[in-house]
Amino acid sequence: GAVVSQHPSRVICKSGTSVKIECRSLDFQATTMFWYRQFPKQSLMLMATSNEGSKATYEQGVEKDKFLINHASLTLSTLTVTSAHPEDSSFYICSMGQPNEKLFFGSGTQLSVL
Amino acid sequence: RKEVEQDPGPFNVPEGATVAFNCTYSNSASQSFFWYRQDCRKEPKLLMSVYSSGNEDGRFTAQLNRASQYISLLIRDSKLSDSATYLCAVNKAGNQFYFGTGTSLTVIP
Repeated sequence: GAVVSQHPSRVICKSGTSVKIECRSLDFQATTMFWYRQFPKQSLMLMATSNEGSKATYEQGVEKDKFLINHASLTLSTLTVTSAHPEDSSFYICSMGQPNEKLFFGSGTQLSVL
Repeated sequence: RKEVEQDPGPFNVPEGATVAFNCTYSNSASQSFFWYRQDCRKEPKLLMSVYSSGNEDGRFTAQLNRASQYISLLIRDSKLSDSATYLCAVNKAGNQFYFGTGTSLTVIP
């Protein structure tokens, strides 16, 4: 079946640094990429939706200048958390899909900001 | 109002029990519906898609009620391995996926 590769799986960084998370589809072309964030014991919260070659659409309350999304190709999307702070510590997970089809998820990135 | 509402539980049931989860969604134009299973700190895994006609996969039955805008998941003969968080997902028009808060299930020996 389809596989989405996400890395790194875990990041520990100092406050103020930027962290890049990469998601790559291995055997299909994804026109749409979703980025989610999940705090402990909470559900997946949609952060943004990106379509290949166009700017991402951010959900209300998500700062686009802080969470930079690049969806440069049909197989690769990156999320950069700029100037990370402890409150950004969370589980970030990408997913890829085709319109009206099920999602395929990456394995997630646990970000811890000290 | 949230796109998807789901009772977070927790549900603690004995082995062999039948348990049901429900989700309601707010956008009547929503097009696709799914149930996912998520184990602690892992990515969600698709459990099943949900259709108006209802669909069954072994011990799992999913149902969609468009008139009332809710979806349900029924698990029969619960196993210890069913312990997880179950998330409903709704694909809204415009190709945006929204998840419920997840319902925590613990099956007790």
